[in-house]
Amino acid sequence: GQSLEQPSEVTAVEGAIVQINCTYQTSGFYGLSWYQQHDGGAPTFLSYNALDGLEETGRFSSFLSRSDSYGYLLLQELQMKDSASYFCAVSKDQGGKLIFGQGTELSVKP
Amino acid sequence: GAVVSQHPSRVICKSGTSVKIECRSLDFQATTMFWYRQFPKKSLMLMATSNEGSKATYEQGVEKDKFLINHASLTLSTLTVTSAHPEDSSFYICSAREFDRGFEAFFGQGTRLTVV
Repeated sequence: GQSLEQPSEVTAVEGAIVQINCTYQTSGFYGLSWYQQHDGGAPTFLSYNALDGLEETGRFSSFLSRSDSYGYLLLQELQMKDSASYFCAVSKDQGGKLIFGQGTELSVKP
Repeated sequence: GAVVSQHPSRVICKSGTSVKIECRSLDFQATTMFWYRQFPKKSLMLMATSNEGSKATYEQGVEKDKFLINHASLTLSTLTVTSAHPEDSSFYICSAREFDRGFEAFFGQGTRLTVV
């Protein structure tokens, strides 16, 4: 089978830094993506890692360790609008099909 | 970024009827699109891969006769929920990727289906 594990909920305060971890077990791995979804909305792309290391995009960074089947999303300078669900997703090939984790609901408090 | 449009955003139908959901790539061609289903506070579950000009590929456990997928052009895929039942009520989302332009998947706005 295949599985992606991430915490179900995380709470943090405005201005803080939060890390959302994702471990995966899949038959095949091409890359790890992160998506943000607000209630009732469509997922939007945040970051993608195909190789080990850190990718930085503004306040968001993502890390991948292929040998550990592990990645994380780092959100800095948290804002209230960052309250949303965050999903890690594995691409098993170049075809574009994504296998999603269960999602982490982030609540940012004042 | 690329735009994927999904229609309708909400639909309520009676049990036993069929509902068609459209997914369009507005500014790029998509030979492959993907259909997902999402329950409240849950993950996106891949239902099928829609292939332009050929049959869709369904994930294990998804009834192909229940969820009919047609990908008749490079910019349009449709999902038809046939003989809908209350348990088919869910949030359905499509996605497409613009190949050779990165690994970002673009999602439609989603369709909230309620079967009464």
